[in-house]
Amino acid sequence: RKEVEQDPGPFNVPEGATVAFNCTYSNSASQSFFWYRQDCRKEPKLLMSVYSSGNEDGRFTAQLNRASQYISLLIRDSKLSDSATYLCVVRNSGNTPLVFGKGTRLSVIA
Amino acid sequence: NAGVTQTPKFQVLKTGQSMTLQCAQDMNHEYMSWYRQDPGMGLRLIHYSVGAGITDQGEVPNGYNVSRSTTEDFPLRLLSAAPSQTSVYFCASRPPTGGGTDTQYFGPGTRLTVL
Repeated sequence: RKEVEQDPGPFNVPEGATVAFNCTYSNSASQSFFWYRQDCRKEPKLLMSVYSSGNEDGRFTAQLNRASQYISLLIRDSKLSDSATYLCVVRNSGNTPLVFGKGTRLSVIA
Repeated sequence: NAGVTQTPKFQVLKTGQSMTLQCAQDMNHEYMSWYRQDPGMGLRLIHYSVGAGITDQGEVPNGYNVSRSTTEDFPLRLLSAAPSQTSVYFCASRPPTGGGTDTQYFGPGTRLTVL
């Protein structure tokens, strides 16, 4: 079983739609959680960290369920510019490498 | 700050050739890493370093060497290029854990083709 699993998509949604991505992780000792965004042929960039209490940044809401080892990202009022691949990322402990999911591709259509 | 820089941006090699992909960061980050990204495979960790003089293997280290003589630089060497090493290579850096942020910064990538 992969350490971080995501639905690869693609998710094709119309502008203005709400879309949710899910991610599961296998290591119950994981300490930090993130969503990264990667545009086509570009490097990944941090979208937001995910906190136990859940957190929101504009149209983006991230949630963490430690009991179920599950992370989610909700995008409201989708824009064309949201089209990208969204990577679920976990850090297990200390100064260890980040573990990346394979990503979920989103296409927002006019 | 330039952030994380990588050179070259594109490279074509013949099978058996060797080369070094350069990576530098000006953020005084101790932690640096190299990934390769192939279609459908996601990012796979090749090697990483938690500080100058310290390196460790990641998920796919075979065929690659690294060294970390300074905090700023983390070159990746391909010893004898093979077509299976055709990929996009990303270098990344981040501050030490507990430094107030876990943000990992990536370079723009090197697109390598091995013929």
